[in-house]
Amino acid sequence: KNQVEQSPQSLIILEGKNCTLQCNYTVSPFSNLRWYKQDTGRGPVSLTIMTFSENTKSNGRYTATLDADTKQSSLHITASQLSDSASYICVVSASGGSNYKLTFGKGTLLTVNP
Amino acid sequence: SQTIHQWPATLVQPVGSPLSLECTVEGTSNPNLYWYRQAAGRGLQLLFYSVGIGQISSEVPQNLSASRPQDRQFILSSKKLLLSDSGFYLCAWSVTGTGGGTQYFGPGTRLLVL
Repeated sequence: KNQVEQSPQSLIILEGKNCTLQCNYTVSPFSNLRWYKQDTGRGPVSLTIMTFSENTKSNGRYTATLDADTKQSSLHITASQLSDSASYICVVSASGGSNYKLTFGKGTLLTVNP
Repeated sequence: SQTIHQWPATLVQPVGSPLSLECTVEGTSNPNLYWYRQAAGRGLQLLFYSVGIGQISSEVPQNLSASRPQDRQFILSSKKLLLSDSGFYLCAWSVTGTGGGTQYFGPGTRLLVL
């Protein structure tokens, strides 16, 4: 069964600090992995996408890494800002078969305090 | 540029009442369309997806139904709401033929069934 597990479930940090969110997946065959940011009460917004051959991708202060061998990904946020407070969702897509289904993690709720 | 709209933003309905949520996409043709439900503390659950007008695939058995009467219009309906239907409903679209491609989410509808 395809699964995506994220940790920690929630995280509180002070403004300006760095943090790293983790994602482990068992989706097979792997196609790509995305990180989404979801502000409270809003729809998710894509931050990064990585395919099998990519092991790092940056989007401003967000840097995602992918280890396809261990089936792990991380999202590193540098110099956090109050606006980074949101839920971060790891989403993995499988290739072949029904291509319209993605496997979503439950998300990590990040709170950045002043 | 493409935009996706959902309405209403918030809805409070009594148990047993009907439901109709609407989603429209602008700026693209023949998109893949999706309905998701996000319950508190849980990941996004795919309810329906559509690759074209009148083509609906259901992912989970439930008392909800979906319709796509026009190319860029996707409707989620129910004849009789249950308490368990409460949640955050998200519509999304992706470029046609890219089932594993990036999905772009709407702002969501928060449904509370009392």
